[in-house]
Amino acid sequence: ETGVTQTPRHLVMGMTNKKSLKCEQHLGHNAMYWYKQSAKKPLELMFVYNFKEQTENNSVPSRFSPECPNSSHLFLHLHTLQPEDSALYLCASSQDSNLLSYNEQFFGPGTRLTVL
Amino acid sequence: AQSVTQLDSHVSVSEGTPVLLRCNYSSSYSPSLFWYVQHPNKGLQLLLKYTSAATLVKGINGFEAEFKKSETSFHLTKPSAHMSDAAEYFCVVSDPRSSNTGKLIFGQGTTLQVKP
Repeated sequence: ETGVTQTPRHLVMGMTNKKSLKCEQHLGHNAMYWYKQSAKKPLELMFVYNFKEQTENNSVPSRFSPECPNSSHLFLHLHTLQPEDSALYLCASSQDSNLLSYNEQFFGPGTRLTVL
Repeated sequence: AQSVTQLDSHVSVSEGTPVLLRCNYSSSYSPSLFWYVQHPNKGLQLLLKYTSAATLVKGINGFEAEFKKSETSFHLTKPSAHMSDAAEYFCVVSDPRSSNTGKLIFGQGTTLQVKP
């Protein structure tokens, strides 16, 4: 595997389920990101991790819980979601999260989440 | 506050004709600007970036963009469209207030359709 991978690619869950999204990067990067992409809305940054430490939580509801056990893996734990949480969830990585270095962010293909 | 506006939600061109995707930004600081492309069922890929060096930026696949501070614009162009260029394009500005946390601000996207 190369680049940024995400599993599963598609997920359907009920509002009472608990599920997790997984992201893995094979680029040796130190920063990882979760984004939410909803139809007809701009991409929304959710969380940023730099060297395994969370550096940004963009006012995300607590039903979304990120976990970054190491610089290569990022999880998004989901519980008691709402139908409006249905979206494409994108993971990205970069060398580090300091934009003064103009580091490119590399994106995974995303997980298409549907909440029933 | 920083913001970015993509002036067209949908652009349709014929194969072999020029492409123009328009982007305007609002910034109180010196921004970094990016264009990303998203093909169906794929993650976002960086096309090009402006980082306060040359105002005319060349990217991959024959795309280029010109930073015009007086017009607060960063339009994306390509001399001759190819069928494989059909995708969603995002104009992105960095938020220097959050330069240490990797915060990018995305436009709403422009869908490029290329007709044979």
